[in-house]
Amino acid sequence: GQNIDQPTEMTATEGAIVQINCTYQTSGFNGLFWYQQHAGEAPTFLSYNVLDGLEEKGRFSSFLSRSKGYSYLLLKELQMKDSASYLCAFMDSNYQLIWGAGTKLIIKP
Amino acid sequence: IAGITQAPTSQILAAGRRMTLRCTQDMRHNAMYWYRQDLGLGLRLIHYSNTAGTTGKGEVPDGYSVSRANTDDFPLTLASAVPSQTSVYFCASSDDSSGANVLTFGAGSRLTVL
Repeated sequence: GQNIDQPTEMTATEGAIVQINCTYQTSGFNGLFWYQQHAGEAPTFLSYNVLDGLEEKGRFSSFLSRSKGYSYLLLKELQMKDSASYLCAFMDSNYQLIWGAGTKLIIKP
Repeated sequence: IAGITQAPTSQILAAGRRMTLRCTQDMRHNAMYWYRQDLGLGLRLIHYSNTAGTTGKGEVPDGYSVSRANTDDFPLTLASAVPSQTSVYFCASSDDSSGANVLTFGAGSRLTVL
């Protein structure tokens, strides 16, 4: 079967670094996505990994290990505006997205 | 501003009523999707369309129908609403030419069925 798991909620301090983990199981894999969703708003695309390794994009980086079924999103120099839910999703063998329930990130001053 | 427009933003509906959620995009994306988002669950795909004139069933299609008469519009219809269809509905589109299938989402339609 297929499944995907990420923590429900995390708390971090403004200016710090936080890592949000995502684990998945699937027989067919065509990439791993991270989206950001502020409360009451639409999800917006952050990153896409299809090969193993780290993809860096400004303050945000995303890592993928296909052999371990594992990804993380790393947020540096946290700002209050980073308070949001972060959604992990993988694309299966049919090119459909399977979504995690999201990790609510709370940033404290 | 290019993007996806959904309507209505919010609606309260009596059980048994018919309801159509509208979705229009101006990015000329081929693929369009309808998702529902419920607390504690990931986004779940209801229906999708890879190109105008074609549609497909997602993970949770029962009780919903869609049509794709042209590239821009992808309405979602609830023929006879039930309380379990209370949810936030997101329409999305993608330019599948990139291979990464990055989705652009509309702002969502919050539906409450009583």
